[in-house]
Amino acid sequence: QLQLQESGPGLLKPSETLSLTCTVSGGSISSSRYYWGWIRQPPGKGLEWIGSFYYSGSTYYNPSLKSRVTISVDMSKNQFSLKLSSVTAADTAVYYCARRPSGVATYLFDYWGQGTLVTVSS
Amino acid sequence: QSVLTQPPSVSGAPGQRVTISCTGSSSNIGAGYDVHWYQQLPGTAPKLLIYGNSNRPSGVPDRFSGSKSGTSASLAISGLQAEDDADYYCQSYDSSLSGYVFGTGTKVTVL
Repeated sequence: QLQLQESGPGLLKPSETLSLTCTVSGGSISSSRYYWGWIRQPPGKGLEWIGSFYYSGSTYYNPSLKSRVTISVDMSKNQFSLKLSSVTAADTAVYYCARRPSGVATYLFDYWGQGTLVTVSS
Repeated sequence: QSVLTQPPSVSGAPGQRVTISCTGSSSNIGAGYDVHWYQQLPGTAPKLLIYGNSNRPSGVPDRFSGSKSGTSASLAISGLQAEDDADYYCQSYDSSLSGYVFGTGTKVTVL
């Protein structure tokens, strides 16, 4: 059974860099069958896609966050990470990692981690 | 920055049928991209409920159904049950943004 688990600091100060890791078990992030990505949800608000990557090394970012986001991968540990720079209170959210099947036009997320709350506060 | 619009809330008594609309534009739903629906129970991660406009993953009751027409889509819940009390989000792909977009979310309340 596939499992995704987010980890990282839960509290940041404004201007710091958010760093989260998603550890995948029960499946391989080096598989050509899937993309992997990050999605966030501010408290009481809706979902926002942050970015995704494919095993080939391609990365895709939400244009509204692109200047501050980096997704990196550690295939040996079956982990991928998110870095979001220069955070503000507006970046306070639950951050989810998720899987997307790579079939043609299958732009959906079929497995999600439980999510981790990141709070930005001075 | 939600690109897809949903009603903030809908409600119904147990056993009733409710529908949730998801309105997009010519760069997402209207461009032919599929619509998917997620159910989010309080304090949990979203769960895929409907994919490819009208398909149910294994384990999802057939009380849930989806449809798509033009620049909009709909999720219907028939025979409403207490455990359906949750938030529901539609999702698609947007060619103008070159990314995945979600709906504003709808809170379903079982009276």
